[in-house]
Amino acid sequence: GAVVSQHPSRVICKSGTSVKIECRSLDFQATTMFWYRQFPKKSLMLMATSNEGSKATYEQGVEKDKFLINHASLTLSTLTVTSAHPEDSSFYICGYSYPGDTQYFGPGTRLTVL
Amino acid sequence: GENVEQHPSTLSVQEGDSAVIKCTYSDSASNYFPWYKQELGKGPQLIIDIRSNVGEKKDQRIAVTLNKTAKHFSLHITETQPEDSAVYFCAASNGNQFYFGTGTSLTVIP
Repeated sequence: GAVVSQHPSRVICKSGTSVKIECRSLDFQATTMFWYRQFPKKSLMLMATSNEGSKATYEQGVEKDKFLINHASLTLSTLTVTSAHPEDSSFYICGYSYPGDTQYFGPGTRLTVL
Repeated sequence: GENVEQHPSTLSVQEGDSAVIKCTYSDSASNYFPWYKQELGKGPQLIIDIRSNVGEKKDQRIAVTLNKTAKHFSLHITETQPEDSAVYFCAASNGNQFYFGTGTSLTVIP
Protein backbone atom coordinates (compact mmCIF):
# COMPACT_ATOMS: atom_id res chain seq x y z
CA GLY A 1 0.00 0.00 0.00
CA ALA A 2 0.89 3.65 -0.22
CA VAL A 3 3.13 5.24 2.38
CA VAL A 4 2.02 8.37 4.19
CA SER A 5 4.16 10.09 6.78
CA GLN A 6 3.16 12.58 9.44
CA HIS A 7 5.29 14.86 11.54
CA PRO A 8 5.60 15.31 14.37
CA SER A 9 4.30 12.06 15.84
CA ARG A 10 3.56 13.82 19.10
CA VAL A 11 3.73 17.40 20.27
CA ILE A 12 3.17 19.13 23.58
CA CYS A 13 2.58 22.86 23.56
CA LYS A 14 1.41 25.64 25.79
CA SER A 15 -2.05 27.09 25.50
CA GLY A 16 -2.18 29.95 23.01
CA THR A 17 0.59 28.73 20.74
CA SER A 18 0.18 27.44 17.19
CA VAL A 19 1.16 23.98 16.06
CA LYS A 20 1.80 22.79 12.50
CA ILE A 21 1.38 19.16 11.48
CA GLU A 22 2.81 17.95 8.17
CA CYS A 23 1.43 15.11 6.11
CA ARG A 24 3.35 13.68 3.17
CA SER A 25 2.56 10.93 0.70
CA LEU A 26 5.89 9.34 -0.03
CA ASP A 27 5.25 7.15 -3.03
CA PHE A 28 2.21 8.48 -4.86
CA GLN A 29 0.49 11.70 -5.84
CA ALA A 30 -3.07 11.95 -4.63
CA THR A 31 -5.70 14.42 -5.70
CA THR A 32 -7.73 14.36 -2.50
CA MET A 33 -6.65 14.56 1.07
CA PHE A 34 -8.51 14.42 4.36
CA TRP A 35 -7.79 15.56 7.90
CA TYR A 36 -9.37 13.69 10.79
CA ARG A 37 -9.53 14.09 14.49
CA GLN A 38 -9.89 11.09 16.75
CA PHE A 39 -10.84 11.08 20.42
CA PRO A 40 -9.87 8.17 22.67
CA LYS A 41 -11.77 5.00 21.78
CA LYS A 42 -13.78 6.84 19.15
CA SER A 43 -14.04 6.74 15.41
CA LEU A 44 -12.39 9.15 13.00
CA MET A 45 -14.12 12.51 12.78
CA LEU A 46 -13.63 14.19 9.42
CA MET A 47 -12.50 17.79 9.80
CA ALA A 48 -11.93 18.83 6.21
CA THR A 49 -11.42 17.62 2.65
CA SER A 50 -9.34 19.25 -0.01
CA ASN A 51 -8.93 18.48 -3.69
CA GLU A 52 -6.05 19.36 -5.92
CA GLY A 53 -6.00 23.04 -6.79
CA SER A 54 -8.85 24.03 -4.51
CA LYS A 55 -9.27 25.16 -0.96
CA ALA A 56 -10.26 22.82 1.81
CA THR A 57 -13.91 22.16 2.49
CA TYR A 58 -14.53 22.10 6.21
CA GLU A 59 -17.11 19.95 7.93
CA GLN A 60 -19.88 21.60 9.89
CA GLY A 61 -18.69 22.74 13.28
CA VAL A 62 -15.00 22.87 12.35
CA GLU A 63 -13.56 26.38 12.55
CA LYS A 64 -11.55 27.04 9.41
CA ASP A 65 -9.73 29.97 11.00
CA LYS A 66 -8.60 27.78 13.86
CA PHE A 67 -7.64 24.73 11.83
CA LEU A 68 -5.74 26.06 8.82
CA ILE A 69 -5.22 23.52 6.06
CA ASN A 70 -2.78 24.06 3.25
CA HIS A 71 -2.77 21.52 0.43
CA ALA A 72 0.60 22.72 -0.81
CA SER A 73 1.12 20.02 -3.43
CA LEU A 74 0.01 16.55 -4.43
CA THR A 75 2.39 15.13 -1.84
CA LEU A 76 2.27 17.62 1.02
CA SER A 77 -0.48 18.95 3.22
CA THR A 78 -0.26 20.84 6.50
CA LEU A 79 -2.70 21.38 9.34
CA THR A 80 -2.02 24.32 11.63
CA VAL A 81 -3.88 24.49 14.91
CA THR A 82 -3.86 28.18 15.76
CA SER A 83 -4.03 29.50 19.32
CA ALA A 84 -4.32 25.99 20.66
CA HIS A 85 -6.26 25.31 23.83
CA PRO A 86 -6.51 22.19 26.01
CA GLU A 87 -9.75 21.16 24.29
CA ASP A 88 -7.80 20.89 21.02
CA SER A 89 -5.79 18.04 22.50
CA SER A 90 -6.46 15.02 20.34
CA PHE A 91 -5.07 12.54 17.83
CA TYR A 92 -4.93 14.07 14.34
CA ILE A 93 -4.70 11.83 11.28
CA CYS A 94 -4.32 12.72 7.62
CA GLY A 95 -5.43 10.60 4.68
CA TYR A 96 -4.80 10.60 0.95
CA SER A 97 -6.84 8.99 -1.78
CA TYR A 98 -7.50 8.88 -5.49
CA PRO A 99 -11.12 9.25 -6.66
CA GLY A 100 -12.65 5.81 -6.52
CA ASP A 101 -9.67 4.34 -4.72
CA THR A 102 -8.94 3.58 -1.11
CA GLN A 103 -7.69 6.02 1.46
CA TYR A 104 -4.23 5.76 2.94
CA PHE A 105 -3.63 7.17 6.39
CA GLY A 106 -0.68 8.72 8.09
CA PRO A 107 0.50 7.37 11.45
CA GLY A 108 -1.17 10.20 13.33
CA THR A 109 -0.02 13.07 15.54
CA ARG A 110 -0.79 13.19 19.24
CA LEU A 111 -1.32 16.82 20.26
CA THR A 112 -1.36 17.74 23.93
CA VAL A 113 -2.07 21.34 24.86
CA LEU A 114 -1.16 22.29 28.41
CA GLY B 1 -25.83 11.45 3.66
CA GLU B 2 -24.34 8.05 4.30
CA ASN B 3 -24.71 6.39 7.69
CA VAL B 4 -22.46 3.47 8.58
CA GLU B 5 -23.21 1.36 11.63
CA GLN B 6 -20.77 -1.19 13.03
CA HIS B 7 -21.27 -4.02 15.51
CA PRO B 8 -20.14 -5.17 17.95
CA SER B 9 -18.23 -2.34 19.62
CA THR B 10 -16.09 -4.82 21.53
CA LEU B 11 -15.28 -8.44 20.80
CA SER B 12 -13.20 -10.96 22.71
CA VAL B 13 -12.28 -14.32 21.23
CA GLN B 14 -9.97 -17.15 22.16
CA GLU B 15 -6.86 -17.56 20.08
CA GLY B 16 -7.63 -19.78 17.10
CA ASP B 17 -11.32 -18.93 17.02
CA SER B 18 -12.98 -16.82 14.34
CA ALA B 19 -14.09 -13.20 14.68
CA VAL B 20 -16.86 -11.54 12.72
CA ILE B 21 -17.56 -7.81 12.56
CA LYS B 22 -20.61 -6.47 10.76
CA CYS B 23 -21.43 -3.13 9.17
CA THR B 24 -24.48 -1.68 7.51
CA TYR B 25 -24.74 1.35 5.27
CA SER B 26 -27.62 3.45 4.05
CA ASP B 27 -26.60 5.07 0.75
CA SER B 28 -27.04 2.87 -2.30
CA ALA B 29 -24.51 5.08 -4.12
CA SER B 30 -21.71 3.69 -1.97
CA ASN B 31 -19.65 1.31 -4.06
CA TYR B 32 -16.40 0.78 -2.19
CA PHE B 33 -16.01 -0.79 1.25
CA PRO B 34 -12.59 -0.91 2.91
CA TRP B 35 -11.68 -2.31 6.30
CA TYR B 36 -8.95 -0.78 8.43
CA LYS B 37 -7.00 -2.03 11.43
CA GLN B 38 -5.78 0.51 13.95
CA GLU B 39 -3.28 -0.34 16.62
CA LEU B 40 -2.88 1.84 19.68
CA GLY B 41 -1.27 5.19 18.90
CA LYS B 42 -1.07 4.51 15.16
CA GLY B 43 -3.02 5.46 12.06
CA PRO B 44 -5.49 3.04 10.45
CA GLN B 45 -4.04 0.53 8.02
CA LEU B 46 -6.01 -0.95 5.14
CA ILE B 47 -6.35 -4.72 5.56
CA ILE B 48 -8.90 -5.64 2.90
CA ASP B 49 -11.46 -3.97 0.69
CA ILE B 50 -14.33 -4.91 -1.60
CA ARG B 51 -16.16 -3.19 -4.41
CA SER B 52 -19.87 -3.36 -5.09
CA ASN B 53 -19.50 -5.62 -8.10
CA VAL B 54 -18.05 -8.39 -5.93
CA GLY B 55 -19.77 -10.45 -3.25
CA GLU B 56 -16.78 -11.85 -1.42
CA LYS B 57 -13.05 -11.37 -1.21
CA LYS B 58 -10.47 -13.33 0.73
CA ASP B 59 -6.87 -12.72 1.68
CA GLN B 60 -5.35 -15.52 3.75
CA ARG B 61 -7.10 -15.44 7.14
CA ILE B 62 -9.17 -12.37 6.33
CA ALA B 63 -12.32 -12.27 4.24
CA VAL B 64 -14.99 -9.70 3.52
CA THR B 65 -18.52 -10.33 2.28
CA LEU B 66 -20.90 -7.81 0.78
CA ASN B 67 -24.68 -7.98 0.40
CA LYS B 68 -25.68 -5.01 -1.74
CA THR B 69 -29.37 -5.72 -1.51
CA ALA B 70 -29.37 -5.70 2.27
CA LYS B 71 -26.67 -3.00 2.41
CA HIS B 72 -24.41 -4.81 4.78
CA PHE B 73 -20.86 -6.11 4.71
CA SER B 74 -18.83 -8.16 7.13
CA LEU B 75 -15.22 -8.83 8.07
CA HIS B 76 -14.26 -12.38 8.93
CA ILE B 77 -10.96 -13.25 10.61
CA THR B 78 -10.21 -16.94 10.99
CA GLU B 79 -7.62 -18.63 13.20
CA THR B 80 -7.21 -15.46 15.22
CA GLN B 81 -3.85 -14.65 16.76
CA PRO B 82 -2.92 -12.27 19.60
CA GLU B 83 -1.47 -9.83 17.06
CA ASP B 84 -4.92 -9.47 15.55
CA SER B 85 -5.91 -7.54 18.68
CA ALA B 86 -6.67 -3.98 17.58
CA VAL B 87 -9.54 -1.67 16.67
CA TYR B 88 -11.15 -2.40 13.33
CA PHE B 89 -13.07 0.18 11.31
CA CYS B 90 -15.31 -0.39 8.34
CA ALA B 91 -15.99 2.35 5.82
CA ALA B 92 -18.25 3.05 2.87
CA SER B 93 -17.31 5.32 0.00
CA ASN B 94 -19.09 6.70 -3.04
CA GLY B 95 -15.76 7.34 -4.72
CA ASN B 96 -15.17 10.70 -3.10
CA GLN B 97 -16.17 10.80 0.53
CA PHE B 98 -15.44 8.10 3.11
CA TYR B 99 -17.85 7.31 5.96
CA PHE B 100 -16.51 5.30 8.85
CA GLY B 101 -18.11 2.94 11.30
CA THR B 102 -17.65 3.49 15.02
CA GLY B 103 -15.02 0.80 15.38
CA THR B 104 -14.74 -2.63 16.98
CA SER B 105 -12.15 -3.31 19.64
CA LEU B 106 -11.03 -6.90 19.11
CA THR B 107 -9.15 -8.74 21.83
CA VAL B 108 -7.67 -12.15 21.10
CA ILE B 109 -7.04 -14.05 24.30
CA PRO B 110 -3.97 -16.34 24.19
